[in-house]
Amino acid sequence: EIVMTQSPATLSVSPGERATLSCRASQTVTTNVAWYQVKPGQAPRFLIYGASTRAPDAPDRFSGSGSGTEFTLTISSLQSEDFATYYCQQYNNWPWTFGQGTKVDIK
Amino acid sequence: DVRLEESGGGLVTPGGSLRLSCAASGLSFSGFTMNWVRQAPGKGLEWVSSISGSSTLLRYADSVKGRFAISRDNAKNSLFLEMNNLRVEDTAAYFCARGGYPVGVLDYWGLGTLVAVSS
Repeated sequence: EIVMTQSPATLSVSPGERATLSCRASQTVTTNVAWYQVKPGQAPRFLIYGASTRAPDAPDRFSGSGSGTEFTLTISSLQSEDFATYYCQQYNNWPWTFGQGTKVDIK
Repeated sequence: DVRLEESGGGLVTPGGSLRLSCAASGLSFSGFTMNWVRQAPGKGLEWVSSISGSSTLLRYADSVKGRFAISRDNAKNSLFLEMNNLRVEDTAAYFCARGGYPVGVLDYWGLGTLVAVSS
């Protein structure tokens, strides 16, 4: 199965700053990568698909990039509601697999 | 409002069984693949199982194959996960999630239901 590796495990950022999260696939997944936001006690939220296309309800401060094996999620200016854990997921090959997550917390 | 509401979780001893349910409302259900994804305590997300809209295509993670069975009732907008021979490592929050487009993305999720397997 394809292993998705996210870095860093934790990212400390001040409100209003930019956050850059990385995700690496163990083999090429073309652009079949999605990103999700997870907060305790809430339903996970779908943010990005196709590596760079925002989901319909995702704010435009979220952007994605990458192809092949290297992917990035950028939050341009962190808002209080953005402090959460973010997961990348590949859907190029079964089984679909997720990274281990990057927790974005307040600096 | 879109709503996916899981139920059926609880505490069970190793080797036991549970049946999870997911009730969907406010979204299209019958034409979409539905999925179960779990998150063990302090761990990341793990895809568990998928079922196509017509129930003709079922998929399972190797970790649950032969022990879990996914099913759905489109007339009742409901998804199920029958879990047998439960192991301690099955302890997790179990989420139902709708498969959106492109195939493979999970566009709507529930809040999850907790399954604890312990003696």
